[in-house]
Amino acid sequence: NAGVTQTPKFQVLKTGQSMTLQCAQDMNHNSMYWYRQDPGMGLRLIYYSASEGTTDKGEVPNGYNVSRLNKREFSLRLESAAPSQTSVYFCASRTPGSSPLHFGNGTRLTVT
Amino acid sequence: QQQVKQSPQSLIVQKGGIPIINCAYENTAFDYFPWYQQFPGKGPALLIAIRPDVSEKKEGRFTISFNKSAKQFSLHIMDSQPGDSATYFCAASGGGGSNYKLTFGKGTLLTVNP
Repeated sequence: NAGVTQTPKFQVLKTGQSMTLQCAQDMNHNSMYWYRQDPGMGLRLIYYSASEGTTDKGEVPNGYNVSRLNKREFSLRLESAAPSQTSVYFCASRTPGSSPLHFGNGTRLTVT
Repeated sequence: QQQVKQSPQSLIVQKGGIPIINCAYENTAFDYFPWYQQFPGKGPALLIAIRPDVSEKKEGRFTISFNKSAKQFSLHIMDSQPGDSATYFCAASGGGGSNYKLTFGKGTLLTVNP
């Protein structure tokens, strides 16, 4: 039972490079999320997808784009990476309402 | 605007102690209040959650106390163990369009010394 799978686990980029973080869940959840975690800042929502075919901005969307490819997959793209995007990125999924978020194990991204 | 304020930032207790982590929220439409536990190198995992129609919920050694009038809730860990050393996050969601989103506190790093 994989749950939420994120790839890659680690990535180093140079400023200006682009990359896509992949996320897939096998729990048949409708909603999927991307968070970033920085020391002392907690978990901040970048984008979310309430259901297949919809995406919405969260608290810190600037510099990111997302694609809800299908019900299972939700990707996060950095078009032109900046050092301020150095962070640990977590994908999560849940059924809507009062239900728990299930997180992946994160992608640690460093932008030099 | 931070909608969920968590304190303290870090906490050190001895084995067997009772660490208490506090959270306060502003949005009265919130109706779901979970706590997450995160170990190094892992994603957060749900520990325990409460809805505002009860004042306390207990699961094993973990208890949430909820004060709706004060808009505060807290996590108590009874008989804490070194294995409880982790980062703990409170969160809240609910209310119309925000029902899809969880807002997290900034986290508390708990260290339980043997």
